[in-house]
Amino acid sequence: ETGVTQTPRHLVMGMTNKKSLKCEQHLGHNAMYWYKQSAKKPLELMFVYNFKEQTENNSVPSRFSPECPNSSHLFLHLHTLQPEDSALYLCASSQTPDGSTEAFFGQGTRLTVV
Amino acid sequence: GNSVTQMEGPVTLSEEAFLTINCTYTATGYPSLFWYVQYPGEGLQLLLKATKADDKGSNKGFEATYRKETTSFHLEKGSVQVSDSAVYFCALLDTGTASKLTFGTGTRLQVTL
Repeated sequence: ETGVTQTPRHLVMGMTNKKSLKCEQHLGHNAMYWYKQSAKKPLELMFVYNFKEQTENNSVPSRFSPECPNSSHLFLHLHTLQPEDSALYLCASSQTPDGSTEAFFGQGTRLTVV
Repeated sequence: GNSVTQMEGPVTLSEEAFLTINCTYTATGYPSLFWYVQYPGEGLQLLLKATKADDKGSNKGFEATYRKETTSFHLEKGSVQVSDSAVYFCALLDTGTASKLTFGTGTRLQVTL
């Protein structure tokens, strides 16, 4: 139990579907992150939220839409995805966004776009 | 820009063998360096870290020394166990780029009896 919970663990969706990934942290952290993990590629930072405010968007396509209603919850809304978006999506949190404190990761959502 | 290069896997070892996973980095500033481990079906967990040159991070029998002269942070363990089978990620955090952990591609370790 890492304190960061992601749901669902697995998701298969068609290219015309709309779905959402959920992340919840029980650690009292102020910063939350979305990462994309694709086979044989480095983890890619997608979004950073600090105190519910988005502080970083790493040129992510608009078909990925994050939402952070409070410091404990982070969502990633998905629509009209492409097969190349299939990957493991990891949520993480840390006390501060400057990296001076450890980042805790969730177990990830394995997304398959068909 | 920042980058991390890890040796390609998979690395297959027998139990009790010595492990080295190479990691080198490129950074514009003075980064902190990390090793994360991902067990099957799990997220990433911080294994160890070092924040300045010549620091040695250690945890669970794993060690890595921050070598500024060779820009390296190689992971070592003297005697691996089957339970160490996982994917290991080297990462850096450049103090000049807040919140951006830069990861390597990961190295899969398979330990057999």
